[in-house]
This record gives sequence, structure tokens and C-alpha cells, in this order.
Amino acid sequence: EAEVAQSPRYKITEKSQAVAFWCDPISGHATLYWYRQILGQGPELLVQFQDESVVDDSQLPKDRFSAERLKGVDSTLKIQPAELGDSAMYLCASSSAAGLVETQYFGPGTRLLVL
Amino acid sequence: QQQVKQSPQSLIVQKGGISIINCAYENTAFDYFPWYQQFPGKGPALLIAIRPDVSEKKEGRFTISFNKSAKQFSLHIMDSQPGDSATYFCAASADRGSTLGRLYFGRGTQLTVWP
Repeated sequence: EAEVAQSPRYKITEKSQAVAFWCDPISGHATLYWYRQILGQGPELLVQFQDESVVDDSQLPKDRFSAERLKGVDSTLKIQPAELGDSAMYLCASSSAAGLVETQYFGPGTRLLVL
Repeated sequence: QQQVKQSPQSLIVQKGGISIINCAYENTAFDYFPWYQQFPGKGPALLIAIRPDVSEKKEGRFTISFNKSAKQFSLHIMDSQPGDSATYFCAASADRGSTLGRLYFGRGTQLTVWP
């Protein structure tokens, strides 16, 4: 069964450093999402791509976060500089059919700890 | 502002019992209500979903009950098993025509099923 791949699975960094997370969606999925999940809470959407275009980045802290999906396939989420409050699980999801949100498939996530 | 409110935060049920998790929303534009199951170290996985044109949807031991007038929906797990022990998230979304609606998640319910 095809899965969403994410790396690294765990990342420890110091405050003010730069970090990057990578996501490879299920093959053929045009829509890609990045979520942040703080411990004890539900996922919160950071950014949504349709192919290589950003559809929704209203909740992305653009002063320090950036996301790209240059060829409309895999994607990178970057934080620079990292802050203590960025410690969370970063989840990537992908979806196969425009207009059908129920087809979102999540990856295992990258757990970030900022010291 | 929490778009979807979920309760209880944690739930302990004996094997064979019924687990019930409740969610409430305010935005009447929401028209898609999925439930996700998340095991430790894994991303959320879609369990079951409902649209407001029906009041109930059943898949195996899992049932969603939907009350449109009260703006509430709930997940019932019949004959709960230790393997059901996980965190459950309700979510809601409003389709936006040709673009995908953002999923708003509840804070989650940690279910423990005792053998």
C-alpha cells in the first residue's frame, strides 16, 4: 500500500538554527498539506499545495516558515530561525481528488524538539 | 478559536464496552465531518466520515451519529477492543467548490480499552 514518506522522523535543534523537513506524497496525489500538531492537540494546517501552487498558507508564520513544492511532487518545509515554541510534530498529508477532502492520507510525521 | 470542540479529553472503557466521543461545531458552512484515529508515533488515519445529508453512518463497529440542528456529531465504537486504544480526532470542513476545504481538527480523545 502506497504511503506518504517523511524525513527525518526526529529532529533536535537549538533555538535560532534552521531546520528543514521533507515530504514525498503518494504517487499521483496533486494536493499536499503540511500540518503542525502540538502535543495534546489536533493537527493544524500550515500550508496546502495544489500541484506546485500554494492554495492556502493563511496559518503559516511567514516570517520564519517557508514551504515549496517546486515540481509539484515532493515538498520541503523550512523553519529559520527555529524558536522554542516550534517544538511539535510536523505532519504531511496528500490527497488524490480535488474537492474531496476525505482522501487525505497522513505520513508518520517529523517530531521536532527545539532546545 | 477552536472551530471544533471535542470531549472527553480521555476515556477508559472495558473490553466489549461502548466508547462514545462527542464533537460540536458552530460554523454552519461545515459539510464534511471525518473521524481520524492516531496511534503513538504514527500519523492520523481516516476512520469514518459523514456528510450532513444523513444522520448516521456505520462501518463495522464504528458509527457516526450526526445532529445537524444541534451542530453535534459523535463517534460510537461498539464492542471496544484493546487494539482500539488510540487517540481519536474529529474534524470538520467546508468544501469550497473547486478548491479543497481546510480540515479543522478537535483536540483529540485518548481512548484506553482495558482487557
